[in-house]
Amino acid sequence: GESVGLHLPTLSVQEGDNSIINCAYSNSASDYFIWYKQESGKGPQFIIDIRSNMDKRQGQRVTVLLNKTVKHLSLQIAATQPGDSAVYFCAENTGNAGNMLTFGGGTRLMVKP
Amino acid sequence: DAGITQSPRHKVTETGTPVTLRCHQTENHRYMYWYRQDPGHGLRLIHYSYGVKDTDKGEVSDGYSVSRSKTEDFLLTLESATSSQTSVYFCAISVPGPGASETQYFGPGTRLLVL
Repeated sequence: GESVGLHLPTLSVQEGDNSIINCAYSNSASDYFIWYKQESGKGPQFIIDIRSNMDKRQGQRVTVLLNKTVKHLSLQIAATQPGDSAVYFCAENTGNAGNMLTFGGGTRLMVKP
Repeated sequence: DAGITQSPRHKVTETGTPVTLRCHQTENHRYMYWYRQDPGHGLRLIHYSYGVKDTDKGEVSDGYSVSRSKTEDFLLTLESATSSQTSVYFCAISVPGPGASETQYFGPGTRLLVL
């Protein structure tokens, strides 16, 4: 079946650098995408979302880019901080009746001081 | 956690015993979900509900049942727990977002160990 996946399971960056976490999706019917952050021992936390009619959306220190041509999603974190260390998931919604999401496996971001 | 609580937060039980996990929301959202999270598998949907007494199966529903008698509560039951059901269980609610999209928000999770 179609699924959402991630290219890198672990990303290590220096504090203050920018981070880029990537996600590939294969369902062309997906029209809504979400990035989540999950810290150890906690539930996934919503970070930012984007609809398929947009290419880019910015939040506070985070930017999501959507390239529908190659079915690619990325999360950019500016000036990465130690508090950004976590596992990041992308998720897609195909507009199904149950509003169900398909999740990627996750990328662990490690920030070195 | 978007007004979502889960109880218990931690549970140790023995194989063959029944277990019920509770998810409670304070905002009367229509859709609620139960997921399990295991290393190497990410988040997998067990069951979901689209209203009181309205539920449907997810990807990994075998061995689980759910009930929703009130909008605010969604219960997940393991009728006879097995060691393969040792996992972290997350409840989520779906909240209307921009346009016609709905964003899911998660509870803090329940860690279940089946011995």
